[in-house]
Amino acid sequence: EAGVAQSPRYKIIEKRQSVAFWCNPISGHATLYWYQQILGQGPKLLIQFQNNGVVDDSQLPKDRFSAERLKGVDSTLKIQPAKLEDSAVYLCASTKWGRTSATETQYFGPGTRLLVL
Amino acid sequence: KNEVEQSPQNLTAQEGEFITINCSYSVGISALHWLQQHPGGGIVSLFMLSSGKKKHGRLIATINIQEKHSSLHITASHPRDSAVYICAVSPPYGGATNKLIFGTGTLLAVQP
Repeated sequence: EAGVAQSPRYKIIEKRQSVAFWCNPISGHATLYWYQQILGQGPKLLIQFQNNGVVDDSQLPKDRFSAERLKGVDSTLKIQPAKLEDSAVYLCASTKWGRTSATETQYFGPGTRLLVL
Repeated sequence: KNEVEQSPQNLTAQEGEFITINCSYSVGISALHWLQQHPGGGIVSLFMLSSGKKKHGRLIATINIQEKHSSLHITASHPRDSAVYICAVSPPYGGATNKLIFGTGTLLAVQP
């Protein structure tokens, strides 16, 4: 079974530029998560999708960050415009069922390392 | 105070040593997760447990629900075990959210 795919793996941009990340979860997984992990910290949930609906986006800075999962499969996360403090690893994860089931293992992608100069 | 605390933050060991990483939490949980993150960034789930003990190869995870404490043990450590080990907890089932609460991780370096 293929794992969670993410691209690009690395991205360097200047502040005020835009950037987009892509995630393809494990086939058949209903729930998709985007996390931001700043160096030295644990991951922070940005947004959680159940199929193509948003379950939790309480920690997503909506003035600059947006995410979509239009067909309930792959997802994109966009930052526009980027700030220096957005430098982090952006992780995508998926689970088969999500909040409608008992606790599940989350499967993580390799992450996208973003550096904003 | 973080809801999930790990200790130590950094750990250096010699190859072959027995290693213990601790995790304490202050919230109700349905399960506790131990995750491994290598320098490339990707995270791998090692264990998910809600009681007792689990073992996989040289890794052992234990949890004490009454004391709200878990430990991850590595026996006969090897340089390839060098990574960040992250403890995370799932909230009680049926709550408003099922998002994980993460600790800040323990950076382990095993020297040959």
